[in-house]
Amino acid sequence: QKEVEQNSGPLSVPEGAIASLNCTYSDRGSQSFFWYRQYSGKSPELIMFIYSNGDKEDGRFTAQLNKASQYVSLLIRDSQPSDSATYLCAAENTGNQFYFGTGTSLTVIP
Amino acid sequence: NAGVMQNPRHLVRRRGQEARLRCSPMKGHSHVYWYRQLPEEGLKFMVYLQKENIIDESGMPKERFSAEFPKEGPSILRIQQVVRGDSAAYFCASSPFRTLNSPLHFGNGTRLTVT
Repeated sequence: QKEVEQNSGPLSVPEGAIASLNCTYSDRGSQSFFWYRQYSGKSPELIMFIYSNGDKEDGRFTAQLNKASQYVSLLIRDSQPSDSATYLCAAENTGNQFYFGTGTSLTVIP
Repeated sequence: NAGVMQNPRHLVRRRGQEARLRCSPMKGHSHVYWYRQLPEEGLKFMVYLQKENIIDESGMPKERFSAEFPKEGPSILRIQQVVRGDSAAYFCASSPFRTLNSPLHFGNGTRLTVT
């Protein structure tokens, strides 16, 4: 039983476009949601987190949360080739358990 | 301000040997999580520890795997009698305290290869 689901991709977008990454979760006890970026052979790096319904913006990144639909997304504006990586969605529940999705592979084409 | 330190970066073991993976959390961090990642897959939760306590080991196989986080020294993930299926990247992550919205900080991982 998967806790967090992501479309594995690969997702390809042209440079300068908006990349949209989606994530759903099954545990209604999940409270906080995190987006990590992982380059091939490297460790995950935190991009941002969100815990309230609505949008949260940080530079070119916007996280969106809809708890009623159990849906989280990450938008990357003005995509750059350096954004090419795997994006991992994680949900944390009240027991401080973190569950990760399998990740979405993003390629930004110059 | 050192980050999460894992060693070794690469570890090769023959079937039946023991593997010991070490993780030193960031300074001031007392919570440690271990994850396993197979190629092209996500991070699979294994165990969550605080200093001297295992909080949640629901993701760790009951046989051959154990973890500890002593009062002094790094956290250790121990795999006894390794098999080829144990080959994976093992990541450690730490946080200073466990309230909600406190992100995990990851180490560079240990790549275990079982021959």
